Amino acid sequence: DAGVTQSPTHLIKTRGQQVTLRCSPISGHKSVSWYQQVLGQGPQFIFQYYEKEERGRGNFPDRFSARQFPNYSSELNVNALLLGDSALYLCASSLAGNQPQHFGDGTRLSIL
Amino acid sequence: ELKVEQNPLFLSMQEGKNYTIYCNYSTTSDRLYWYRQDPGKSLESLFVLLSNGAVKQEGRLMASLDTKARLSTLHITAAVHDLSATYFCAGGYSGTYKYIFGTGTRLKVLA
Repeated sequence: DAGVTQSPTHLIKTRGQQVTLRCSPISGHKSVSWYQQVLGQGPQFIFQYYEKEERGRGNFPDRFSARQFPNYSSELNVNALLLGDSALYLCASSLAGNQPQHFGDGTRLSIL
Repeated sequence: ELKVEQNPLFLSMQEGKNYTIYCNYSTTSDRLYWYRQDPGKSLESLFVLLSNGAVKQEGRLMASLDTKARLSTLHITAAVHDLSATYFCAGGYSGTYKYIFGTGTRLKVLA
């Protein structure tokens, strides 16, 4: 079975631009979470969605938004990119919100 | 707000030795996870600990949870080079779907 898939794998943007990252969960998983991992640090929670509803939000500015589609895939959008947004963005899926999470390989976002 | 702290941050150990990584969390957490991350890779789930006194073992790794002390440990027995990686613990925030990760412990096992 396919694991969590994320696209693109790498992305280079400039300050002020907008970016959309995509995630497809493991088949049957209804919960998707997004994390930002800056080099040398642990992942920081951004959002969790379950059954297309936002169930949790981390301490990130409103420039970050997300949504979940009827097929449970998800998109993370970041507007007005800053240099500090450069990071590995990880998507994780689980059967339900409080179940073990399975992580994708991430999207590495570089802001120039 | 839940905070998760790990120590040590860096650990260099000889093959064959034993060591323990500690994970302290600040408030009630109803689930505790351990993950492994290799350089440039994603996170691999190792253990899920859901109740006080829970102990899980896989190969040379054993994780335990003491909810009263708000402490989880990851014990490494007879380390081998293949265990070299960064290990994270993560607490589930009671009543929410937020997961708070520790800063990670970068483990290097020397031959």
